[in-house]
Amino acid sequence: GAVVSQHPSRVICKSGTSVKIECRSLDFQATTMFWYRQFPKQSLMLMATSNEGSKATYEQGVEKDKFLINHASLTLSTLTVTSAHPEDSSFYICSVRKAEGGGNSPLHFGNGTRLTVT
Amino acid sequence: AQTVTQSQPEMSVQEAETVTLSCTYDTSESDYYLFWYKQPPSRQMILVIRQEAYKQQNATENRFSVNFQKAAKSFSLKISDSQLGDAAMYFCAYKRSAEKLVFGKGTKLTVNP
Repeated sequence: GAVVSQHPSRVICKSGTSVKIECRSLDFQATTMFWYRQFPKQSLMLMATSNEGSKATYEQGVEKDKFLINHASLTLSTLTVTSAHPEDSSFYICSVRKAEGGGNSPLHFGNGTRLTVT
Repeated sequence: AQTVTQSQPEMSVQEAETVTLSCTYDTSESDYYLFWYKQPPSRQMILVIRQEAYKQQNATENRFSVNFQKAAKSFSLKISDSQLGDAAMYFCAYKRSAEKLVFGKGTKLTVNP
């Protein structure tokens, strides 16, 4: 069964509004969750690393005030796209690593969220 | 910075045949992990196989195997007895311990009946 639940799977919003995407670890505690963005026919680009109980670590070039990440519990991280614009339209995927997992623990991915900003 | 290169944007294979997807990476580290992920049209990322750099033996998972050449920094994926359900994007990925996963640009695999 699914290890990671990501919601919603699709969302359409108007320019200027905010959208929240949830990522839940269903089977284990996850101190670390990752948020990726994938443009059509391209690879996954890491946006930020979400750490439970502390601030997220953002990759270079990713606006932390635009992509708000909250990791309030060991099973839930949220990504909020604030004041969305059409160029934010993309596929967003979260991934989870077991808290007790070693360095070679694979990441478990959510099903992704297709965001369309009109 | 670590980079992962997949030189084949697209590959095709006949059903039941064997295909090899290429991946090279650049790192100055000696201890790391390599992965192949599959992304079918559903966009779900599925782990296919993984390899620890300290292990000389090539990883194998049923019809999937890798050819890991550490000195050459090469990590190719071989799919034997290809099935229609193998059609997908395949991403090679690298990471060190608890650090982030770095993906290649992917190879689109088509399986012809």
